[in-house]
Amino acid sequence: GAVVSQHPSWVICKSGTSVKIECRSLDFQATTMFWYRQFPKQSLMLMATSNEGSKATYEQGVEKDKFLINHASLTLSTLTVTSAHPEDSSFYICSARGGPGRYNEQFFGPGTRLTVL
Amino acid sequence: GQNIDQPTEMTATEGAIVQINCTYQTSGFNGLFWYQQHAGEAPTFLSYNVLDGLEEKGRFSSFLSRSKGYSYLLLKELQMKDSASYLCAVSYGGGGGNKLTFGTGTQLKVEL
Repeated sequence: GAVVSQHPSWVICKSGTSVKIECRSLDFQATTMFWYRQFPKQSLMLMATSNEGSKATYEQGVEKDKFLINHASLTLSTLTVTSAHPEDSSFYICSARGGPGRYNEQFFGPGTRLTVL
Repeated sequence: GQNIDQPTEMTATEGAIVQINCTYQTSGFNGLFWYQQHAGEAPTFLSYNVLDGLEEKGRFSSFLSRSKGYSYLLLKELQMKDSASYLCAVSYGGGGGNKLTFGTGTQLKVEL
């Protein structure tokens, strides 16, 4: 149990376009989903926290108008990178909490590698 | 704010024991996680400590001292597949809003 999927696993796009990334909890209902960004050889940086049916809470320095998060159901959250630029190229990872883990841990998706040309 | 420190790199020999340290400063602490991450993949859960002491789980053990803001991950009988990045993450906040702050990770290289 506690499987989280992400789609797509990688995407290449032109500067100025928008990209949508989906995060799904496949076998449990996620009360909360998180979106992280990881640059090469750096750790995961929390971008935002998303609760089903409510607005996402963004971390300081993360532009909410650029990184649109929608959490329409207990199993799906989406991150849309609007007007992407090369500096947005990164590894985006989602996680979901509310699964069968004993410690209320977060279960991570496999990540989406975004490359903006 | 949250601040987590761990060594950037470590090298160890197959079959040996290695200890990866993590120190942290945080407010609203409510637990510490260790995750393993292979290159290009998502982190996978290894251990969780919320009380002081040692938690053992097969070849992996994790220790926590809340008063010292210190934790370590102990890996025994190292295998080549243990070569990965090990992330220390502190859980903070409350009221259902627990968040994780990750350290920069310790890149472990296991050699023959």
